[in-house]
Amino acid sequence: NAGVTQTPKFQVLKTGQSMTLQCAQDMNHNSMYWYRQDPGMGLRLIYYSASEGTTDKGEVPNGYNVSRLNKREFSLRLESAAPSQTSVYFCASKGWGTLETQYFGPGTRLLVL
Amino acid sequence: SQELEQSPQSLIVQEGKNLTINCTSSKTLYGLYWYKQKYGEGLIFLMMLQKGGEEKSHEKITAKLDEKKQQSSLHITASQPSHAGIYLCGADLNSGNTPLVFGKGTRLSVIA
Repeated sequence: NAGVTQTPKFQVLKTGQSMTLQCAQDMNHNSMYWYRQDPGMGLRLIYYSASEGTTDKGEVPNGYNVSRLNKREFSLRLESAAPSQTSVYFCASKGWGTLETQYFGPGTRLLVL
Repeated sequence: SQELEQSPQSLIVQEGKNLTINCTSSKTLYGLYWYKQKYGEGLIFLMMLQKGGEEKSHEKITAKLDEKKQQSSLHITASQPSHAGIYLCGADLNSGNTPLVFGKGTRLSVIA
């Protein structure tokens, strides 16, 4: 099993450009998450999908959109990238219920110039 | 998140020394998760604690959840360079199926 995979690993964008970060998991997990990690700020939740067909905002959703394409895939879209969105983005997934371990992907490093 | 505080923010220890990292919550912890992140990489799950007073060990790393379920500690015995990285605690702060909340992490360096 690959676990949680993310593409791309690195990306450089110019301000105003758009892009989609892809995430897939092969653990048959119901819940999937997008976080961003910034120095001194820790991990902050952008959006999450508790189950297929549902999405909810997290702590920092502005400037992002998400799509839960199916049970395996959860994408994050930046419609008009801004320098403030320079960060490392992590996708994660978890089985249904409490006390299920949340597994993370390797991350996407995004630089917006 | 302010709901979960980690201390210290960073730590430099000499190889072979013991160390402790703390994670304190402002709310009851329904589940507490410890992760390790090597620089530039993803988060690796270490262990999960649920019950007050629970203690788990993996190799030289021991994690405890206090009886009141509002604080956890991660203790490393005889630290090695391979222990270097960022340690993050994550918590279930609700009994339902809600996302984990994370502390800001503790950056550990181990010097020879």
